[in-house]
Formats: sequence, structure tokens, C-alpha cells
Amino acid sequence: DVKVTQSSRYLVKRTGEKVFLECVQDMDHENMFWYRQDPGLGLRLIYFSYDVKMKEKGDIPEGYSVSREKKERFSLILESASTNQTSMYLCASMRLTNYEQYFGPGTRLTVT
Amino acid sequence: GDSVTQMEGPVTLSEEAFLTINCTYTATGYPSLFWYVQYPGEGLQLLLKATKADDKGSNKGFEATYRKETTSFHLEKGSVQVSDSAVYFCALRIMNYGGSQGNLIFGKGTKLSVKP
Repeated sequence: DVKVTQSSRYLVKRTGEKVFLECVQDMDHENMFWYRQDPGLGLRLIYFSYDVKMKEKGDIPEGYSVSREKKERFSLILESASTNQTSMYLCASMRLTNYEQYFGPGTRLTVT
Repeated sequence: GDSVTQMEGPVTLSEEAFLTINCTYTATGYPSLFWYVQYPGEGLQLLLKATKADDKGSNKGFEATYRKETTSFHLEKGSVQVSDSAVYFCALRIMNYGGSQGNLIFGKGTKLSVKP
């Protein structure tokens, strides 16, 4: 079975802190994604990566950056956390042969 | 641009009731369509998919048929169980080339609660 893991299930940070969310997949997938999930808004794509060191902006990249130094790992960085970044963050990976995305369990981030 | 619209919830049903969650889409060409499910406290998992018109995806008693004429992909189940309580997301795969060819566009999700 494909496994996508995220470094934390719950995280509480203060405004202005730099926050790192880590995602690791174990199936050698090419593409990886970061979404945020908010009530009434569904899933919105923040950034995605289709190869090591490659990254592209999604629909809501402002206030975020990403890093993909190894194929299995995709990190989301909040340079200076703000309260409006309080949300559920979901990571996913995908193999191009079937275009099915596999999701991690999510990180619920609270910024106070 | 491409988009997905699904019925708003929450939907509350009694056990063994019939379920329909409507999903319609707007897209260039003929996208692949998906239903994902999110159980409480978990990430999303693929429930079923269809890649071309008239295809029927099915899994765990759920079904959805890709209707090109009505640009729809409604989710149905004949008899729901308490364990089906979850949030259901309809999604389409963007049909383009390059790095974003696998990207999905999601609907806003429909929360289903099934009472015993």
C-alpha cells in the first residue's frame, strides 16, 4: 500500500514564527502536492512539484514556499505564520501512470 | 476555467436509505472524474473513478457514471451504513500537458451523516 506520512497531526505556532510541514511518500511517486482544507472552501492547491527541485505555484501560494530536495520528501514552509493560515494542511503524492492521488492524514495547524 | 460543483451538505440519512450526491463539472475536453472520501480525522482516499464517457466507477457499494451529455458524475449508494459517514469530494483531472497534467480540481465537499 502507498503510504504518505506527515510530520505532525497537530501543531500550534505563534504569529511570526517560521513553520515547516514535512511530507514523505514511500512509493517513488513523481508528483507531490500541498493543499489546505477549510470549511466551505474544500481543498485548495498551494504548491505542487513534478520532480526533484521542481516546484510550481498552485491557486493560493501567497505566504508559502516549498522545498523538494529528494524525490520522497516535499516540505511546506510558512515563512512568517499568520492567523489566517490556521487550517488543515494535506499532502498528496501521485504516480503519472494512473493519476491517482494518495493523501497523508493531514496536519491541523493553529496559529495564535 | 475548469470547475466542479457538488451539492451542498450536510446530508443526514437513516441507515439503509438511498444516497445521491450530485456533482457537475465544467471542463475543456473530456476530463477524468473522481470521487474521494474523507473519514473523520483522516486524509482523503480515492473511492472511485471514471476516465471516459459512459464509464461507471464502483467501489464499496458506491457507484458513479460519467455522463458527458449532462456533464455529471453523481455518486449513489443503494443502502448506506453508519460507517459511510464522511465527507465526499468530487474531482476532475485537468487535461493538459506538462507538469500540471495530474492536477485535480475539487468540489467543496459534501458531509454525510448516517444515523442508526
